[in-house]
Amino acid sequence: SQQGEEDPQALSIQEGENATMNCSYKTSINNLQWYRQNSGRGLVHLILIRSNEREKHSGRLRVTLDTSKKSSSLLITASRAADTASYFCATAYTGANNLFFGTGTRLTVIP
Amino acid sequence: DTEVTQTPKHLVMGMTNKKSLKCEQHMGHRAMYWYKQKAKKPPELMFVYSYEKLSINESVPSRFSPECPNSSLLNLHLHALQPEDSALYLCASSQGLAKNIQYFGAGTRLSVL
Repeated sequence: SQQGEEDPQALSIQEGENATMNCSYKTSINNLQWYRQNSGRGLVHLILIRSNEREKHSGRLRVTLDTSKKSSSLLITASRAADTASYFCATAYTGANNLFFGTGTRLTVIP
Repeated sequence: DTEVTQTPKHLVMGMTNKKSLKCEQHMGHRAMYWYKQKAKKPPELMFVYSYEKLSINESVPSRFSPECPNSSLLNLHLHALQPEDSALYLCASSQGLAKNIQYFGAGTRLSVL
């Protein structure tokens, strides 16, 4: 399977703390994307990082990509209760016609 | 407008029923997707349409039948489903295939009794 692995599976932190989640993937990619899903809702795209980029920022989000290790990290700084959601990485493998979603990290931010 | 609209939001059906899920987007996207998602699991790709033609069918049972009447609409026809088909069904669209950002609808929560 081309599905990426994410860790941790679940993460619980206090409001104001930083949250880091990791994604590992299988083969060469065109880009890697992160999505957020509130409970029972659709996924929302957060950020895309291309294979030739190493770091990208968007507001309180910071994404890194290490193609030599085939891994990516999503950092959410100064977390808020509203950040409580599931976060999925999605890899656009070179030559593939669809995205492959990772196993997901369930983040709980305690007020 | 970056909205993908799915109807209905909730659906309860018996194993002998026939029902349809509907998905609509007006972003001019040429790729549309159906995913199935079980609780605490990632979305599982079912079908991909590109330029209104079926591009990918991930070995989905024939009791699920997709249809793309035009570039803005995607349907999923359901017939003789099993209780294990109960899940959240998500529709998504993107400008093109593969590396593009996908925009998701809010999903249809399906219960099969």
